[in-house]
Amino acid sequence: AQTVTQSQPEMSVQEAETVTLSCTYDTSESDYYLFWYKQPPSRQMILVIRQEAYKQQNATENRFSVNFQKAAKSFSLKISDSQLGDAAMYFCASLGGSNYKLTFGKGTLLTVNP
Amino acid sequence: SQTIHQWPATLVQPVGSPLSLECTVEGTSNPNLYWYRQAAGRGLQLLFYSVGIGQISSEVPQNLSASRPQDRQFILSSKKLLLSDSGFYLCAWSVGAGDTEAFFGQGTRLTVV
Repeated sequence: AQTVTQSQPEMSVQEAETVTLSCTYDTSESDYYLFWYKQPPSRQMILVIRQEAYKQQNATENRFSVNFQKAAKSFSLKISDSQLGDAAMYFCASLGGSNYKLTFGKGTLLTVNP
Repeated sequence: SQTIHQWPATLVQPVGSPLSLECTVEGTSNPNLYWYRQAAGRGLQLLFYSVGIGQISSEVPQNLSASRPQDRQFILSSKKLLLSDSGFYLCAWSVGAGDTEAFFGQGTRLTVV
């Protein structure tokens, strides 16, 4: 089975502050990839950050970083110095390294307050 | 460079009519292909995915079917649409391992009336 759970339907943050979005997953794949995607109102899916499960080092992309806890099957996203343009729906996803099944969580709607 | 085309962008269909949504990928070979449905303000539900021509994995038993007649073509179909088939449909593709990610089409907004 391959599941992704996002327990926070909505989150809000003040501009310039930091926010963390939670994600847990379950997979039978020994090799897999984890992603955070952003979906603005246009509904275009935009890759925010990617983590290969075999890498111990947490991925970072400018203001975005992850806390990958493999044993706990946790993959949270931290957004630092939040900007108004960060407001969107954020999806956590896992991709199996052998079955190539790409599964998404239900999403977290992030609001950024000026 | 790789691109993905999904059409049509919007579609209004009567209940009981057939459906065909098409997705094609350019600039890559043997992609993994996916169809998702997204209800308003909700998550992406995986409907079908394919790792090769003629190979279709169905995730949700329902009124829809998928086919992959060519390497870079993925079609979502229905013989008779239901009201509950309304939603936003997204096609996506990915390849192999390494710096992999999934790339998405622009989506199709389907309204069944």
